[in-house]
Amino acid sequence: DAGITQSPRHKVTETGTPVTLRCHQTENHRYMYWYRQDPGHGLRLIHYSYGVKDTDKGEVSDGYSVSRSKTEDFLLTLESATSSQTSVYFCAISDTVYEQYFGPGTRLTVT
Amino acid sequence: SQQGEEDPQALSIQEGENATMNCSYKTSINNLQWYRQNSGRGLVHLILIRSNEREKHSGRLRVTLDTSKKSSSLLITASRAADTASYFCATDYNQGGKLIFGQGTELSVKP
Repeated sequence: DAGITQSPRHKVTETGTPVTLRCHQTENHRYMYWYRQDPGHGLRLIHYSYGVKDTDKGEVSDGYSVSRSKTEDFLLTLESATSSQTSVYFCAISDTVYEQYFGPGTRLTVT
Repeated sequence: SQQGEEDPQALSIQEGENATMNCSYKTSINNLQWYRQNSGRGLVHLILIRSNEREKHSGRLRVTLDTSKKSSSLLITASRAADTASYFCATDYNQGGKLIFGQGTELSVKP
């Protein structure tokens, strides 16, 4: 997990509220990713970034938005949280299109 | 979904035995990667095999790739209790670093 942090690590929020998760890296890697991990589904890509202000959608992007205003930070926003977004969220970074390095995860519960 | 499938879903062995996990995927790939996840932690990259490679070794890990069958296997030799974790395959289908993860194999190595 060295060089990549996620905040908060745990969050409980109510349905309908906005939530922002932060991924911060100190490795100066070009690529950053947001995944969600759910039982029975493995990891699924939500959004990814290939540079500052350059982002693209992943497999499960509905209900999520992202922003990357500087190399080290990649923010994931749930505009209006729903119970189906209860999950563990992982950020990953990469300096190539090959192996990725994962953060410790954020456990989000939407009640 | 283009998500790969892994089998078995769970595997329990004794220390010193070998563990084999299999991964099948659906589309042509650029490379295939294996990751390990210890309980409550982020994923850790283990090994990458390119589409033009058939076998690769790293320490006690041996990975094979059969592109004609769209399948890969991960062999861990002389397993240790510390190898207890979930193992995921991830396929890169040449979409700028986007990975598709399988659902994982949960390995338990008993001392």
